[in-house]
Amino acid sequence: AQSVAQPEDQVNVAEGNPLTVKCTYSVSGNPYLFWYVQYPNRGLQFLLKYITGDNLVKGSYGFEAEFNKSQTSFHLKKPSALVSDSALYFCAVRDSGKAAGNKLTFGGGTRVLVKP
Amino acid sequence: EADIYQTPRYLVIGTGKKITLECSQTMGHDKMYWYQQDPGMELHLIHYSYGVNSTEKGDLSSESTVSRIRTEHFPLTLESARPSHTSQYLCASSEVGPRERRDEQYFGPGTRLTVT
Repeated sequence: AQSVAQPEDQVNVAEGNPLTVKCTYSVSGNPYLFWYVQYPNRGLQFLLKYITGDNLVKGSYGFEAEFNKSQTSFHLKKPSALVSDSALYFCAVRDSGKAAGNKLTFGGGTRVLVKP
Repeated sequence: EADIYQTPRYLVIGTGKKITLECSQTMGHDKMYWYQQDPGMELHLIHYSYGVNSTEKGDLSSESTVSRIRTEHFPLTLESARPSHTSQYLCASSEVGPRERRDEQYFGPGTRLTVT
């Protein structure tokens, strides 16, 4: 079985400060990891993913995430947060094995509030 | 912006009514998904399809049904709506194709359903 945890329901950060949104996962095989963002009254938008290769993945809107296999984590980061980054962020995982199909398991979401 | 559409965006309906939530994508994706997003923000997979005439139940049990007669169309139907069906419903699609694009799910804007 695969699972993902986002331990923080909400993250508050001042504009211009670094932003980190935490995610840990559990899979039996190798993980495929994703971050999505949801703005109010909108669907989810893909931000970035880790499939293989470099542990540091760069994505849209200046976001990046670091895959850490030993800590089974995939934290999302942005060096300097903007007020417009305020949104709901979802981490997702799926096992790379074929038996898992293409079903993603999503974390519970973390609400990010960036204050001016 | 992804080419995946959901209608209606908002729906308020009385108990016992039959409703169909529409989802269409113009990207030629084989795989399509329905998620239910509860007020606590968590996403739950309720149905998915790997292609025409393929439908599967997701991780969360749902009284809704789906059909996939055409690649681009994946409607969700509730035969008799109840207040417990009040939620946000998100449709998504992904392609089978090159590994670097596999698994990226593109989401529609969602349908917010309220059953009174």
